Amino acid sequence: AQTVTQSQPEMSVQEAETVTLSCTYDTSESDYYLFWYKQPPSRQMILVIRQEAYKQQNATENRFSVNFQKAAKSFSLKISDSQLGDAAMYFCASYNTDKLIFGTGTRLQVFP
Amino acid sequence: DAGITQSPRHKVTETGTPVTLRCHQTENHRYMYWYRQDPGHGLRLIHYSYGVKDTDKGEVSDGYSVSRSKTEDFLLTLESATSSQTSVYFCAISEPRRVDYGYTFGSGTRLTVV
Repeated sequence: AQTVTQSQPEMSVQEAETVTLSCTYDTSESDYYLFWYKQPPSRQMILVIRQEAYKQQNATENRFSVNFQKAAKSFSLKISDSQLGDAAMYFCASYNTDKLIFGTGTRLQVFP
Repeated sequence: DAGITQSPRHKVTETGTPVTLRCHQTENHRYMYWYRQDPGHGLRLIHYSYGVKDTDKGEVSDGYSVSRSKTEDFLLTLESATSSQTSVYFCAISEPRRVDYGYTFGSGTRLTVV
């Protein structure tokens, strides 16, 4: 069975600084996808970044990037130049065999 | 997202009453999902559908049933609501050919069972 673990219930960062959110996963599949979703107080689920397991290159989307370590089954999210609008819950998720499985989330606070 | 709508947005119900939540999509996606979100648990899969009248259980399916009679509608029913089913419920859709784009989520339904 797939499992996704986020070991940091809460993190904080100062505006303009960099923060890294951790995620580990477990799967027996060789082909899968990994995602980070952001959930602001509005409750909307917003896709931040995605990674295909067969691609060795780490995905990047503007200020968001990932460190994908396939052998270690690790998929961390780095947010550079943090902004007040980045404050939210962040969920790591793993997809294979028709299902998206989520971690328990990390609440990110951003201080001015 | 305009392509997926959940109703109602909020609901308060009494223990023991039946409750049905509706998810409607206009994207013609094949897959539809129901999740519940609780503090400390993230989003957990309740049931999902991979086509009309084709459904399967997720990790927390006890006490829930689903139906999908049309591509665009996926209903989640709590036959006899309990306080442990107080939660925020999310519907999501995906198209297997484009799974690399992730899922599209509805805005959620906050259900309170008193």
